[in-house]
Amino acid sequence: EVQLVESGGGLVKSGGSLRLSCAASGFSFSRYSLIWVRQAPGKGLEWVSSISSTGRYIYQADSVKGRFTVSRDNAMNSLYLQMNSLRADDTAVYYCATVRDGYIDAFDMWGQGTMVTVSS
Amino acid sequence: EIVMTQSPATLSLSPGERATLSCRASQSVASNLAWYQQKPGQAPSLLIYRASTRASGVPARFSGSGSGTEFTLTISSLQSEDFAVYYCQQYNNWPPMYTFGQGTKLEIK
Repeated sequence: EVQLVESGGGLVKSGGSLRLSCAASGFSFSRYSLIWVRQAPGKGLEWVSSISSTGRYIYQADSVKGRFTVSRDNAMNSLYLQMNSLRADDTAVYYCATVRDGYIDAFDMWGQGTMVTVSS
Repeated sequence: EIVMTQSPATLSLSPGERATLSCRASQSVASNLAWYQQKPGQAPSLLIYRASTRASGVPARFSGSGSGTEFTLTISSLQSEDFAVYYCQQYNNWPPMYTFGQGTKLEIK
């Protein structure tokens, strides 16, 4: 069974840091590019960051550049998002997902999400 | 940035009716367009990619069409489980700068 399980969310003060993890199982993790998408309460979806299958290529939304860092460990079948200098508008559910094919494509396997709340 | 605009914001229909959801891109995205369904408290799930290809396990009542800047998601005969929020997404940029539409809420009339 394909599974993506996010963890690491929680309540943090403005200016603080959190590290999200996404543990994968049931598929060939190292073959896939991966992404983080977030959803603020009651709002739509926002792409946050992408990382290629080897970790060589990384892309980020302007809203998180310089504050968030995506990484992966293919030996551990895990994806990470280090979030620094958090702001109230970073409050959201954060999802990890796989890119269907190659570097850029639709997102076909999703985790259940982890909630990040930034208090001001 | 490519802006994706969905219409209508809310669509009220009855089970058995046909639903037509629209998505417009601010510039051409060719056929690099996906549709997702999201139910309350759940993660989004992929319905359609490459504008018209159904993802694995998606019922045939869901179909996608369009290219360039105008796209449509059609649900031929609504089932109770289809009432949800639907998002379109483009993946045409390089480097990747994915953008989503604001969503269409499909609700029971």
